[in-house]
Parts: sequence; structure tokens; C-alpha cells
Amino acid sequence: GAVVSQHPSWVICKSGTSVKIECRSLDFQATTMFWYRQFPKQSLMLMATSNEGSKATYEQGVEKDKFLINHASLTLSTLTVTSAHPEDSSFYICSARGSAEMETQYFGPGTRLLVL
Amino acid sequence: GQNIDQPTEMTATEGAIVQINCTYQTSGFNGLFWYQQHAGEAPTFLSYNVLDGLEEKGRFSSFLSRSKGYSYLLLKELQMKDSASYLCAVFDSNYQLIWGAGTKLIIKP
Repeated sequence: GAVVSQHPSWVICKSGTSVKIECRSLDFQATTMFWYRQFPKQSLMLMATSNEGSKATYEQGVEKDKFLINHASLTLSTLTVTSAHPEDSSFYICSARGSAEMETQYFGPGTRLLVL
Repeated sequence: GQNIDQPTEMTATEGAIVQINCTYQTSGFNGLFWYQQHAGEAPTFLSYNVLDGLEEKGRFSSFLSRSKGYSYLLLKELQMKDSASYLCAVFDSNYQLIWGAGTKLIIKP
């Protein structure tokens, strides 16, 4: 199957700092990437969908000014959590798929963010 | 609204068989996925069904009935490493992936 990487896998930061998470598709061109958040013992929550070269589409309730998403190339999308606070501590997971809408999403390994 | 239901938790014995059910009500249907998620890790793809019937992949099989809005994941010859959450997800008419809350499967020796 397709491989998606995320970096970093763990982040611990102070409240008020910004954190950037990278998501890369290693062996295919990811036209669309998805960013999810998962709190302990809860289901995946889609935060936003990004298509290469265009602005991300955010889900209701997700602050676009707080969670900045850039999908500048067909293999890289970044999520920046600006001015992170303890309530932003979560497991952030990206997934990627090719150009066809019906294609399978492949997930990155996830990034654990802990804001102190 | 769109809804996917699956049991919260199931327990089974090593070596046995377990069936995890998923029912869905979505605006349109373009296929159903099953993913496995081990604790602390991201989901990994298991199966995709878009036509009615049973798809078999080794120890894992997935079944779909579109008329009933129903799917199940069947795990045979259970191993301890199968302890994980199993997520059911459906593509709606816009190819948006609608996620179930997941079923935590506990395997006992």
C-alpha cells in the first residue's frame, strides 16, 4: 500500500508557541490530504481537507486562523497549530489519497502534541 | 443526518472468530471501508466494499449489504495482535468519508 509519513511524531511545547506538523506522501502523488484530530478514547474527527494548490476546506467548528494548512505540493501538506494551548493537546493524523475521489485514504503515523 | 453505528467494545478469545457489525445511514453511498487502529497509532486500511457480498483477505473478511445499510468485518483465528479498534467508514454521495466511532476489540488468551 501507499506510504504516508508525518513529522514530528511527538511534540511537547509551551503554551503560546506555534507547532508545525508535516505530512508527506512518499510513493504517490497526493492530490488531496486530510487532517484529523483524535482525543483519547474518541473517534477520528476531520478538521480539514486540502487540495494541492488551493485553500483548505475546514469542518464546522475548526478555527482556520488557528490551524493553518498549506498543501503546496503533491507530496507535502503542513498543519501549523498557532498559539497552542493545553486544550490543543491531541493526536493529529493526516491522510492522503490520489486524484480520484473514490480512492482509499492512507494514513500517516500521527503526531502527538502535548501543550504545557 | 449521517450516522454510522458499531458496537463500542467486544471481547473474544484467542483462536476464535468474531464478527463486528456496522450499520449506516448516509446521504448516498459510494463504498464502505474498514480500518484497524492499534492504541496510540494511526488507522491502517483493511478493506473496501462497494458491491454487495463477501470479500475475503486472509483471516479477515468484509461483507456488505447495501439494501440493508449493513456491513460486518469477520476476523478468524484471532491472535493477540488483533486487539485494536476497528473503524467503519462510508463514502457518501460526495465522497466524503463518514466515520464510525470504532469498536474496541479485546482478545483474551
